[in-house]
Amino acid sequence: EDQVTQSPEALRLQEGESSSLNCSYTVSGLRGLFWYRQDPGKGPEFLFTLYSAGEEKEKERLKATLTKKESFLHITAPKPEDSATYLCAVQAVGNAGNMLTFGGGTRLMVKP
Amino acid sequence: EAGVAQSPRYKIIEKRQSVAFWCNPISGHATLYWYQQILGQGPKLLIQFQNNGVVDDSQLPKDRFSAERLKGVDSTLKIQPAKLEDSAVYLCASSLGAGRETQYFGPGTRLLVL
Repeated sequence: EDQVTQSPEALRLQEGESSSLNCSYTVSGLRGLFWYRQDPGKGPEFLFTLYSAGEEKEKERLKATLTKKESFLHITAPKPEDSATYLCAVQAVGNAGNMLTFGGGTRLMVKP
Repeated sequence: EAGVAQSPRYKIIEKRQSVAFWCNPISGHATLYWYQQILGQGPKLLIQFQNNGVVDDSQLPKDRFSAERLKGVDSTLKIQPAKLEDSAVYLCASSLGAGRETQYFGPGTRLLVL
């Protein structure tokens, strides 16, 4: 069974204080790993897709990396507007469809 | 480009009542998904459609939940009868196809069962 575990569950940062969010996964064969951002009362918003170990992608203050067992979302010099829940999800090879298995999310709060 | 549309945005019902949610995917997206997100958890897939056919409904509680996608565009998810544990956000997502394509989510319908 595919499993995704995110840590920490919650993270409080001061504005400008860089940190990383972790996503550990167990999957029979990885088709893709997805990062989403979710603001309160809204649906998840797509950030990145990573397909193979060693791959990295960047967008503004966010950088996502992937190894064979985990992914990191690095946040550099965060701003209050980066406050949100960050969700990680995996898509496995061989599933009937292309369902995403999500982790529980990391709730990030950035204080000014 | 318009995103995934869902209605209603909020619904409050008594247990044992029935409720229906509607979703309109992004234009041209062949694949449509319904996810359930319980407070504090990540979304969990309920059902996936490819055009108007079901690809995966292994996690759909079929004794009370049903879904259809007529004409391969809009979709409706129904719960009958509702239980307290069905209180959650119901998210609809769509993607171009059924491979590695990105899934784009709607704003969700927040259901509270009293």
